Amino acid sequence: AQSVTQPDIHITVSEGASLELRCNYSYGATPYLFWYVQSPGQGLQLLLKYFSGDTLVQGIKGFEAEFKRSQSSFNLRKPSVHWSDAAEYFCAVGLYGGATNKLIFGTGTLLAVQP
Amino acid sequence: EAGVAQSPRYKIIEKRQSVAFWCNPISGHATLYWYQQILGQGPKLLIQFQNNGVVDDSQLPKDRFSAERLKGVDSTLKIQPAKLEDSAVYLCASSSGTSAQFFGPGTRLTVL
Repeated sequence: AQSVTQPDIHITVSEGASLELRCNYSYGATPYLFWYVQSPGQGLQLLLKYFSGDTLVQGIKGFEAEFKRSQSSFNLRKPSVHWSDAAEYFCAVGLYGGATNKLIFGTGTLLAVQP
Repeated sequence: EAGVAQSPRYKIIEKRQSVAFWCNPISGHATLYWYQQILGQGPKLLIQFQNNGVVDDSQLPKDRFSAERLKGVDSTLKIQPAKLEDSAVYLCASSSGTSAQFFGPGTRLTVL
């Protein structure tokens, strides 16, 4: 069955430090992969997506992610974290078949940023 | 471009009462989704519409949940009767073709 694993429930980094959030997926075909961010009391905002092509994708707010098929991973990175990046981050795999466009989400990683 | 609109933002009801949520997708988006997000979990798809037809409702508890999108634009999700375990954030999303899904702010439901 398709699934997404985010092994880190909670991460704390210092402002200005680099960040990497891990995501592993289980899916038989070439996946469509997404990272969303959710601030408290808000909906999900799309950070970036991978459909095909270059395995290093750039997103908004200075985020990037790299698709590694051999490791079934799609880790999110940012070279220098800002206090405003504190939020919950969700990785998702898209199951696209016929008219069905279903997202399977991981359980999320809560990011705290220390001054 | 206006985003996905949802109302109300918050709702508190007692168990066995009914409740309805409304969603207006991004203009021109034919596909509309309702997700349920329980505290501490990722969102889970409840139902997907393509225009005014249901594409996937396999995870919708049909004994108490219903949804409609009569004119292929806005949509309503209803719970009747509500249970304690329905306490969650209900997210609406929309997409065009196989593009990414764009989410609304959600409705936080508390069932007492």
